[in-house]
Amino acid sequence: KAGVTQTPRYLIKTRGQQVTLSCSPISGHRSVSWYQQTPGQGLQFLFEYFSETQRNKGNFPGRFSGRQFSNSRSEMNVSTLELGDSALYLCASSEPGGNTIYFGEGSWLTVV
Amino acid sequence: GNSVTQMEGPVTLSEEAFLTINCTYTATGYPSLFWYVQYPGEGLQLLLKATKADDKGSNKGFEATYRKETTSFHLEKGSVQVSDSAVYFCALSDLNQFYFGTGTSLTVIP
Repeated sequence: KAGVTQTPRYLIKTRGQQVTLSCSPISGHRSVSWYQQTPGQGLQFLFEYFSETQRNKGNFPGRFSGRQFSNSRSEMNVSTLELGDSALYLCASSEPGGNTIYFGEGSWLTVV
Repeated sequence: GNSVTQMEGPVTLSEEAFLTINCTYTATGYPSLFWYVQYPGEGLQLLLKATKADDKGSNKGFEATYRKETTSFHLEKGSVQVSDSAVYFCALSDLNQFYFGTGTSLTVIP
């Protein structure tokens, strides 16, 4: 079974631009969550989607948004990028009723 | 609320040394406990888990026991290898939400 797939793996954006990151969960998994990882703040929870509905949300500004499609694939969007948004963005999925999440390899975003 | 506290790093060990990385948790319910490992440039991989008190999770020579009385889930390995060099994260899951520790960087030198 294929793992969690995130695209793109690496990207560079300029301050003020926006970015969209994509995540395809493991087949059969319906919950997708997103995390931001930085050296200073560690792993921070962004949001979680289940069956196209946002179920949980972390403490991030409204510039960070996400959505989930009917095939469970998810996207997250960051608008008006700031230098501090440079980070590894990790997506994770879990199966219905499961208590374990499985991570993708992440998308490295650099804002210049 | 829920939280995870794990040992500050970095930790540097010689090959074949014994490893312990401490992890304690605070939870309002009955959480499941996890260790994840992150190798350089990669995402997090599940290393082991335990879903109830006194359960022992094990994988690749690593072990951790869910201790409710001490609210701990310490990671241990009897003999580390250079390939174990990575960042280790302790985590708990409660009501569909995950809480991660800050990570402990381990470097194993030959």
